Amino acid sequence: GAGVSQSPRYKVAKRGQDVALRCDPISGHVSLFWYQQALGQGPEFLTYFQNEAQLDKSGLPSDRFFAERPEGSVSTLKIQRTQQEDSAVYLCASSFGLAGIQETQYFGPGTRLLVL
Amino acid sequence: LAKTTQPISMDSYEGQEVNITCSHNNIATNDYITWYQQFPSQGPRFIIQGYKTKVTNEVASLFIPADRKSSTLSLPRVSLSDTAVYYCLVGTNYGGSQGNLIFGKGTKLSVKP
Repeated sequence: GAGVSQSPRYKVAKRGQDVALRCDPISGHVSLFWYQQALGQGPEFLTYFQNEAQLDKSGLPSDRFFAERPEGSVSTLKIQRTQQEDSAVYLCASSFGLAGIQETQYFGPGTRLLVL
Repeated sequence: LAKTTQPISMDSYEGQEVNITCSHNNIATNDYITWYQQFPSQGPRFIIQGYKTKVTNEVASLFIPADRKSSTLSLPRVSLSDTAVYYCLVGTNYGGSQGNLIFGKGTKLSVKP
């Protein structure tokens, strides 16, 4: 079956541009996470959705970052007025049930964002 | 949240067994130990999870001593395709308040021919 897909795989933006990153989770998965991974570092949590509800956005680095999942399936991470420090790989992960220790998270390949 | 310490990098050769040890001295009673693997240009992938003693699956084994202050991921007879970064995570709910994974820097394993 299809795994988690993300698009685009690569995005180059000029500083100040807005970007939108898409995540298609595994069909039927309730939980969806966004992570940011800087070069040479482990992924860091950004935000969490349970169906369409955004239950935790404590990891979003600034108010320029916005995420949505309006119908409880596809999610979009939007970054407004991009800055060079936003350059990173953005990973999406989903899990079947409510997030927790018993639930395996399945990751997409990520979107590599480069802000010039 | 239990802090984890693991080697930054390891080298091995094809066909060898590789053991990566993770220290977690302040692990809590309800914490589980979970390992993820990440290949270049891919997202992390769940490998194995355990609470105590030994767990084995088709990919790896996880050894956890009685005091649970450390754990060892064992990869039997590695191949070039096992070259990846391996993350040790410890927590009750993966560490995050919503079940989000909390990663460290991981161990970069390089397998040579």
